[in-house]
Amino acid sequence: DIQMTQSPSSLSASVGDRVTITCRASQGISSWLAWYQQKPEKAPKSLIYAASSLQSGVPSRFSGSGSGTDFTLTISSLQPEDFATYYCQQYNSYPPTFGPGTKVDIK
Amino acid sequence: EVQLVESGGGLVQPGGSLRLSCAASGFTFSSYEMNWVRQAPGKGLEWVSYISSSGSTIYYADSVKGRFTISRDNAKNSLYLQMNSLRAEDTAVYYCARYSSGYSLAYFDYWGQGTLVTVSS
Repeated sequence: DIQMTQSPSSLSASVGDRVTITCRASQGISSWLAWYQQKPEKAPKSLIYAASSLQSGVPSRFSGSGSGTDFTLTISSLQPEDFATYYCQQYNSYPPTFGPGTKVDIK
Repeated sequence: EVQLVESGGGLVQPGGSLRLSCAASGFTFSSYEMNWVRQAPGKGLEWVSYISSSGSTIYYADSVKGRFTISRDNAKNSLYLQMNSLRAEDTAVYYCARYSSGYSLAYFDYWGQGTLVTVSS
């Protein structure tokens, strides 16, 4: 199985801050990477697919980059509604696997 | 609007069984590959099982293989998960999740709200 790691595991930030979350795969996955946002007691929501493509309806302050083993999710200007936990997921090979999550909370 | 609504969760004793359902609407259900993904309390996301649009191809996570059975009824726009020999470690919120495309491996573009399964005596 491909192992996914994320860093940091949590971060505190203020509204308006630029936030970057890193995801690393244990082996190369090309650009087969997705990012999800999950708020407490809610289902995950798709943000980014194919490493850098924005899901329809997602604000443009979210962006993704990377290929191979190293990926980043960037929020250019953090908004109050962005405080949540973010997960990466690889879909290069079975089983699809998720990172452990990065919790973004209010500073 | 795409909607996925799970049901069937609840409290069950270790060794017991439960059947989850997911009712789909707002899209052509028979054209999409579907999955179950779970999340233990306070933990991350774990893929559980996949079924192709026709139901002919099925995959399971090693953690549930031999105990869980995924199925679908395209005439009823419904996805199911039969869970047998349940263990405490199966306690989780179970989400029905749609694959984004017709491929057998993709990202999850829509998720249901989840149904909680608690395995405890």
